[in-house]
Formats: sequence, structure tokens, C-alpha cells
Amino acid sequence: EPEVTQTPSHQVTQMGQEVILRCVPISNHLYFYWYRQILGQKVEFLVSFYNNEISEKSEIFDDQFSVERPDGSNFTLKIRSTKLEDSAMYFCASSAGGKTDTQYFGPGTRLTVL
Amino acid sequence: SQKIEQNSEALNIQEGKTATLTCNYTNYSPAYLQWYRQDPGRGPVFLLLIRENEKEKRKERLKVTFDTTLKQSLFHITASQPADSATYLCALDGYGQNFVFGPGTRLSVLP
Repeated sequence: EPEVTQTPSHQVTQMGQEVILRCVPISNHLYFYWYRQILGQKVEFLVSFYNNEISEKSEIFDDQFSVERPDGSNFTLKIRSTKLEDSAMYFCASSAGGKTDTQYFGPGTRLTVL
Repeated sequence: SQKIEQNSEALNIQEGKTATLTCNYTNYSPAYLQWYRQDPGRGPVFLLLIRENEKEKRKERLKVTFDTTLKQSLFHITASQPADSATYLCALDGYGQNFVFGPGTRLSVLP
């Protein structure tokens, strides 16, 4: 069964550094999402992406964040100048249709900012 | 501000019984509501979606109800099994509103 994959599984970085989290969505899906989950807290929506542009973003998704689909398969989340509070699990998801269609989540990347 | 509550942080039930989880919301007008399952260290897995104009949805041993007057959804797992032990999340989406997850209820089904 097709699945969403994410790399790396764990990323450790120093505060102030830039990180890029990578996702490979399911191949025929058109909608892509990023979420984060701080340890012990709820899953939070960051951004949705369709047709090579952001379709929705939350208040969390400020200028520090950006997303890109650099080629036909990858979907990336870049965090510029990481802060301690960016430490969290970051999940990528994709769906064939919009948000009312089933979103398939990846296994997540655990980001630790020191 | 928008608020989603799920009945309790943790719920323990005996195998074979029906588990009932609650999702309540305020300051939100959802177009639809979803339920997900999340296992430790894993991403959420979609279970069911119910729209604002639907009262009930079923899928195998799962049943979801949605009452927009009470601003509440109930999620039932019948004939529960230890393999159903996980955290269950409700999530809302609405027109012009962000997709929002609840804090989750950790269900433990005891053999």
C-alpha cells in the first residue's frame, strides 16, 4: 500500500540554524500538508499546499517557515533560524482531494533544537 | 477563541465493552468533523469523517454521531479489543477556519 515517507526520522540542530524537513507524498495525491506536535501536546495544523502554492496556513506558520515542492515527488518544510520552541514532531500528510478527502500521514520527523 | 475538548485524557474499559469518546467544541462552526487514531510515536491515522448535515456514520465496529446544536461528537467502538488501545483525536474544519485537532483521549482496552 502506498505511504507517505519522511526524512530524516530525527534531526538535531543548534538554535539559529536552518533545517529542511523532507516528505515524499503518495504519488497521485495533489494536496499536501504539514503539522507539528510538541511533546505531550495536540497535533497542530501548519500549512496546506495545492497547485504549487499555499492554500491555507495557521498563525504558527510565520515568516520563519516556508514550504516548497522542488520536484515532482518531494515536499519540504524549511525552518529558518530555529528556536528552542520549534522542537516537536513534524508530520507531513497528503490527500488525493481536498481536506474532506482522507489525509494520509507520514511517520514524522522529530526535530530537537538545542 | 476556538476550543476543542475531549472528554478525558484517559479512558480504561474492559475488552468486549463499548468505548464512548466525546468531542466538544466552542467558538467554531465546523463543516465537518473527523476522528483519527494515533499510536505512540506515529502519525495520526484517519478513521471517519462526518459532515455538518449528517447525524451518524458507521464503519465496521466504529460509529460517530454529530450534534451541531450541542456542539458535540460521540465516537463509539463496539466490542472493543486490546488492539484498539491508542489515542483518539477529533479534528474540525470549517469555512474560513483553520483545521484544528483536539487534545486526544488515550483509550486502554484491558483484556
